[in-house]
Amino acid sequence: AQKITQTQPGMFVQEKEAVTLDCTYDTSDPSYGLFWYKQPSSGEMIFLIYQGSYDQQNATEGRYSLNFQKARKSANLVISASQLGDSAMYFCAMREDNSGYALNFGKGTSLLVTP
Amino acid sequence: EAQVTQNPRYLITVTGKKLTVTCSQNMNHEYMSWYRQDPGLGLRQIYYSMNVEVTDKGDVPEGYKVSRKEKRNFPLILESPSPNQTSLYFCASRRGDLYNEQFFGPGTRLTVL
Repeated sequence: AQKITQTQPGMFVQEKEAVTLDCTYDTSDPSYGLFWYKQPSSGEMIFLIYQGSYDQQNATEGRYSLNFQKARKSANLVISASQLGDSAMYFCAMREDNSGYALNFGKGTSLLVTP
Repeated sequence: EAQVTQNPRYLITVTGKKLTVTCSQNMNHEYMSWYRQDPGLGLRQIYYSMNVEVTDKGDVPEGYKVSRKEKRNFPLILESPSPNQTSLYFCASRRGDLYNEQFFGPGTRLTVL
């Protein structure tokens, strides 16, 4: 069964607008971590933001915030004030702390920011 | 500079010709892993290592070998590559304790003809 689901294969957003990239996860492990990575066309994986399952507050890193809804098992990434350089693939990933610490990745969402 | 390095970055080879992709990190990380990325599938873990001489299979280990003789190095070995191993490969590392990001190498694009 897919542990991380990203339902949006591709999205468009206009420059300076906010955009939400969806991510839902499936785990029975009470301790886990959720990550978002950005992959530009150059191919490298860039860490954006992390949320632990026991964290009470939603994580924020500059223009990135993670909308963590534990009961719904969702961990959506919100990018505020989009920039052209935000155009990239975005991957949601989960680490289950009682399952070998592997990162399980979703299939990704391709974001295109238009002028 | 803290980093994960991979070599080669690009490789075209033929079926059956053994190859090794090297991975090295300079952050003294305990945990290292290999992923492959294929279109529409995201990243899938091949092998991981919790520390020196400790390795284990990930989700897609068939056709691959790894070793962890030193903490900083974690080479990926394809004994007899096949065309279905054409992919983009990433090495990653992180500290052994929890709640830490994984640092990824720049990727190795492998084509097996």
